[in-house]
Amino acid sequence: RKEVEQDPGPFNVPEGATVAFNCTYSNSASQSFFWYRQDCRKEPKLLMSVYSSGNEDGRFTAQLNRASQYISLLIRDSKLSDSATYLCVVNMPNYGQNFVFGPGTRLSVLP
Amino acid sequence: GAVVSQHPSRVICKSGTSVKIECRSLDFQATTMFWYRQFPKKSLMLMATSNEGSKATYEQGVEKDKFLINHASLTLSTLTVTSAHPEDSSFYICSARGQGLSNQPQHFGDGTRLSIL
Repeated sequence: RKEVEQDPGPFNVPEGATVAFNCTYSNSASQSFFWYRQDCRKEPKLLMSVYSSGNEDGRFTAQLNRASQYISLLIRDSKLSDSATYLCVVNMPNYGQNFVFGPGTRLSVLP
Repeated sequence: GAVVSQHPSRVICKSGTSVKIECRSLDFQATTMFWYRQFPKKSLMLMATSNEGSKATYEQGVEKDKFLINHASLTLSTLTVTSAHPEDSSFYICSARGQGLSNQPQHFGDGTRLSIL
């Protein structure tokens, strides 16, 4: 089993749609979780951290389920500018200080 | 604003050339920096972890003599691709995290697009 797995995608959705990204991780000792977005030919940029109680930032909602070792990202009222690859990132204690990136899920929001 | 600066952003050079890429943390000290490589439409692949004042830790399959890493200060790590060949053409990205902040997110440089002719 891979350390961090995500929906394979791509997701093609119309503007205004709600889209959900799923991510599972293998190490039950992981403590830190993040969602990044990466635009084509650009570096990843931090979108939001994921907190145990779940957290929301505008149209974006992140949730964590430790029992299932599962993280989600929900985007409401999607915009054309949301088109990007969304990366789930999890710290892995056995990797020392490093974080492990999921393979990413590509989103295309269509007009 | 950017917290990690990477330079150069674009390199085009002949096969056999060595290329140095710099990664700087701008407003914090980073004892650890990370170097990634990404091929088109593929995932980020961690190449090595750069530790200030000590040898870098390389991932399996990454040649340490090919990809030389130097982390001489708390704000600068360099990656040198020695005797680069066309198969080394890729997008190289560094990231850094603040000192003692092991659970904080990594911040990425803008990346270096390397093309070997």
